[in-house]
Amino acid sequence: AQSVTQLDSQVPVFEEAPVELRCNYSSSVSVYLFWYVQYPNQGLQLLLKYTSAATLVKGINGFEAEFKKSETSFHLTKPSAHMSDAAEYFCVVSGPYYSNSGYALNFGKGTSLLVTP
Amino acid sequence: DGGITQSPKYLFRKEGQNVTLSCEQNLNHDAMYWYRQDPGQGLRLIYYSQIVNDFQKGDIAEGYSVSREKKESFPLTVTSAQKNPTAFYLCASIPSGSPSYNEQFFGPGTRLTVL
Repeated sequence: AQSVTQLDSQVPVFEEAPVELRCNYSSSVSVYLFWYVQYPNQGLQLLLKYTSAATLVKGINGFEAEFKKSETSFHLTKPSAHMSDAAEYFCVVSGPYYSNSGYALNFGKGTSLLVTP
Repeated sequence: DGGITQSPKYLFRKEGQNVTLSCEQNLNHDAMYWYRQDPGQGLRLIYYSQIVNDFQKGDIAEGYSVSREKKESFPLTVTSAQKNPTAFYLCASIPSGSPSYNEQFFGPGTRLTVL
């Protein structure tokens, strides 16, 4: 079974400061990893996904993440935070398809990014 | 525009009542999912359906029921047996037969509050 751990429940940053949201995963099989963003009272929007094509993945809104197999990590980064980046961020792992459970997704508990002017 | 719609956005229920949350998609996706979100808990899978007329329990199915009579629709009923139904409910879909690296598409959510 796969699982993810988001190491911080909240990350406070100043506007224009760099951002790093940490995510570690565990799995006995090949995995696919995602980062989603959720603004208050809204659904989830995909930021980026790792599909084994490249270890450094670029996403929307200037975010990127690097897959490090040796560290089982998939941390999300951005060089400079904007006020509009304030939201909840979820790291998600997906394993192979199972006929009795479909494309099971495992969500981290989320990290709230707080941006201060 | 293709997407997933959920209604209503906010729903209030008295204790002991059943309520049904709507989820409709026009993406022609085969598989649909219901998640429950609580503060600090991430998302937990309630039910999922891979094809019409078939659905499977997720991790927290007790107190919930679903139907999948049409490809486009996957309504969730929160029954009176659900002990703590106040939460944010999210519906998602994915094309069946896709590799698992295809992301799930999410609706805007329904916030259910029990009075």
